Amino acid sequence: DTEVTQTPKHLVMGMTNKKSLKCEQHMGHRAMYWYKQKAKKPPELMFVYSYEKLSINESVPSRFSPECPNSSLLNLHLHALQPEDSALYLCASSHWETSYEQYFGPGTRLTVT
Amino acid sequence: GIQVEQSPPDLILQEGANSTLRCNFSDSVNNLQWFHQNPWGQLINLFYIPSGTKQNGRLSATTVATERYSLLYISSSQTTDSGVYFCAVPTGANSKLTFGKGITLSVRP
Repeated sequence: DTEVTQTPKHLVMGMTNKKSLKCEQHMGHRAMYWYKQKAKKPPELMFVYSYEKLSINESVPSRFSPECPNSSLLNLHLHALQPEDSALYLCASSHWETSYEQYFGPGTRLTVT
Repeated sequence: GIQVEQSPPDLILQEGANSTLRCNFSDSVNNLQWFHQNPWGQLINLFYIPSGTKQNGRLSATTVATERYSLLYISSSQTTDSGVYFCAVPTGANSKLTFGKGITLSVRP
């Protein structure tokens, strides 16, 4: 099973809302990632968790708050977002110890109004 | 940091045609991934290929690490092959993928 799942598929939120994106994998991978992708651009890394600890934060604004409750689950908490934060948010995972090959989920398409 | 360039940026094919997509990178790498992003946004793993040649059905990939390029071959293209093809290489502590800008492929029936 090489599946990464993400919920919700679509999300519309106002600038004063608080919402969360969820990502799950059951491949036994020990690294999980959040990427942001704008239209017609490649994905850009936001955060990396390895062994449930934050190992990379690519200078992401604090209105994005990641959380890794366990090795299978990754959340991204959203608060006070701006319209320019509208994008496709992709989650990925990799084994870390034996391979850095990353597997991506289907993404959450976020619109901030 | 490492630069990744893909060419051509856009490609239009008639169904059944063959094509070659190219990925150049500016520094030595120890692995490389090819992805297909379908129109719904899903990034699908095609190949994890640090060097050599791999084949999967109508698709194959070759990476020549010493010359810093990789090629993705699509044979007998189908309309479902349409989408954006990305190559990506790791930078830093092997956890951060640097993506090329992608190649947009349209296969017409």
